[in-house]
Amino acid sequence: QVQLVESGGGVVQPGRSLRLSCAASGISFSNYAMHWVRQAPGKGLEWVSVISYDGNIKNYADSVKGRFTISRDNSKNTLYLQMNSLRPEDTAVYFCARDHSGGGCDYWGQGTLVTVSS
Amino acid sequence: QSALTQPASVSGSPGQSITISCTGTSSDVGGYDYVSWYQQHPGKAPKLMIYDVSNRPSGVSNRFSGSKSGNTASLTISGLQAEDEADYYCTSYTSSFSYVFGTGTKVTVL
Repeated sequence: QVQLVESGGGVVQPGRSLRLSCAASGISFSNYAMHWVRQAPGKGLEWVSVISYDGNIKNYADSVKGRFTISRDNSKNTLYLQMNSLRPEDTAVYFCARDHSGGGCDYWGQGTLVTVSS
Repeated sequence: QSALTQPASVSGSPGQSITISCTGTSSDVGGYDYVSWYQQHPGKAPKLMIYDVSNRPSGVSNRFSGSKSGNTASLTISGLQAEDEADYYCTSYTSSFSYVFGTGTKVTVL
């Protein structure tokens, strides 16, 4: 069965950290760039971060640069997002997605909700 | 990294055609042929409808088509159906391995 499954979301206080995981199964993982995309409640999609197929190239949205770190373990078919210094405005559903071509993502996870609140 | 501009809403009757625009700059939409479109139903993950400006993934209806002129990309839905009612987002590669989404468009089937 083809799927991406995110985990690690939850409620966290401002300033704390959280690590999200995205496990891939049934699809090729190690040959593709991967993205994290988030969606605040009732809002639109926001691109968060991307990592190349081999993990050597990474980039981030300005809103998370310096606080979030993307990584991957191709031996475990797993993508990660380490989120530090969390802010209330980071509250969102976080999706992982596989890049088919030029940012067009063909497979998406179901999303994991991160709530930053005191 | 300013969001690409989309109309907030577009509507049409069943069977009609509608077009959603996605306006950026020469640094994103106008500079690269890496524009994608997504359909998102409430509470669901986005679904890829168009990639690389005008390519349809396997399984996506040929009622969906994409194009680009200058700094504006467009998604056209022909033969509008009730199931097409959803939110639609464009996205573009910008530079240095960076991406940006559009503001989103709510499509209503009258």
